[in-house]
Formats: sequence, C-alpha cells, structure tokens
Amino acid sequence: NAGVTQTPKFRILKIGQSMTLQCTQDMNHNYMYWYRQDPGMGLKLIYYSVGAGITDKGEVPNGYNVSRSTTEDFPLRLELAAPSQTSVYFCASSYRKADRVRSQETQYFGPGTRLLVL
Amino acid sequence: TQLLEQSPQFLSIQEGENLTVYCNSSSVFSSLQWYRQEPGEGPVLLVTVVTGGEVKKLKRLTFQFGDARKDSSLHITAAQPGDTGLYLCAGFNTNAGKSTFGDGTTLTVKP
Repeated sequence: NAGVTQTPKFRILKIGQSMTLQCTQDMNHNYMYWYRQDPGMGLKLIYYSVGAGITDKGEVPNGYNVSRSTTEDFPLRLELAAPSQTSVYFCASSYRKADRVRSQETQYFGPGTRLLVL
Repeated sequence: TQLLEQSPQFLSIQEGENLTVYCNSSSVFSSLQWYRQEPGEGPVLLVTVVTGGEVKKLKRLTFQFGDARKDSSLHITAAQPGDTGLYLCAGFNTNAGKSTFGDGTTLTVKP
C-alpha cells in the first residue's frame, strides 16, 4: 500500500492564481481530512469528508473548496491564492474502531504540499 | 469547542536528559493519540491510549492517559537527537465524531 499520497510536493503561486492540491489514499478509508500547518505551529483543519459525496467545513475553510467523488480522492481547490495561504498542506485519511468500551480513530498523513504564494 | 492544550510549546534539552510533555483538556475523550512529526514530513502515529489511567511504553517513551480521560502525558527517558521533532496529541470524541489536535510541542535534543 502506498498509503496517502499528495501532489505536488512544492508549488509557488502568484496572488490570484488558482490550483488544486491532489490527495489519494489506497486504504479504503471513509474519512479524509485537509489540514494546513504554519511554521512552528500545529494543524488547522480546513475541510473533511466522512465518505464519498459528503464534505464539511473545518476550522479555517475560507478560500478553499473540496470535493469527494470517490473514496480514494479528496482534492483541495484554491481559487484566488493569497499570501495568507502560504503554508504546508497535509491530507490525511482515517479509520475508526469501536468496541463495547471505547471508540478510537487513527489518522494517516501524506507527506505534505508546501505552498508559497507571492 | 473542544480544546487540547499542550505544554511546553518548545523544549530544548541535551542528549541523555529526561523530559515530560503534557496534553490537557476540560473535555473527556474516548481515546487519545500521540503523533510525532519530523521536519518535512507528515505526522506519524506513536500510540493510542483508550482506558483511563492506562500506561503504554514504546522503548524510551512512556505514555499515560489520565484517570478521567481528559489529559495525557508523554515521558521520554534519556532523550536522543533522533527524538527531535514535533509531538502532537489528538483526542477523539465519539459524540463529536471527530479528533481534536493540540498545537504541539517542538522538541530539540542536542548531541
């Protein structure tokens, strides 16, 4: 299994340009996530999906859009790039396990896309 | 909104020293995960703790889940330069249906 793959690894955009960050997972996970991580900081949730055809906003969705037409793919779209969107973007997928006592989630992350908006 | 606070935010120590990182919340979690992220890579799961009071060991790393399942700690014994990275805790709440990540502790271990 390749796990979670992301393309491109690095991209420079000019202000106002648009682009799509690709994310694919081959683990048949229902849940997928997009995070951004600014230098020295933690993860901020942008959008997430609980299954094909279903997406929802996270903490910082403004300026981004997503779609989930298949279980495997979860692309993130930036329509009008702004300098504030300079960051490292991580895609993750997860499975959830539940027993009589507790439920838990394990997220698997891609290697990230480093985006610079000038 | 569920919050997970990690402390300290930054930690720089010499090789061989011991350290503890904390992850605290006012919310109860069904389970809690610790991830480590090395520079230029995505976070990787270290451990999941599920039961209140649970202790798990991973070589020199000891993870503990609080009795009330609101907090957790990570203790590293005899830290090595290879332990350098960002340590993230994430709590999963069944009712909320999602995981909440802390802001992380950046650990630097100097040789």
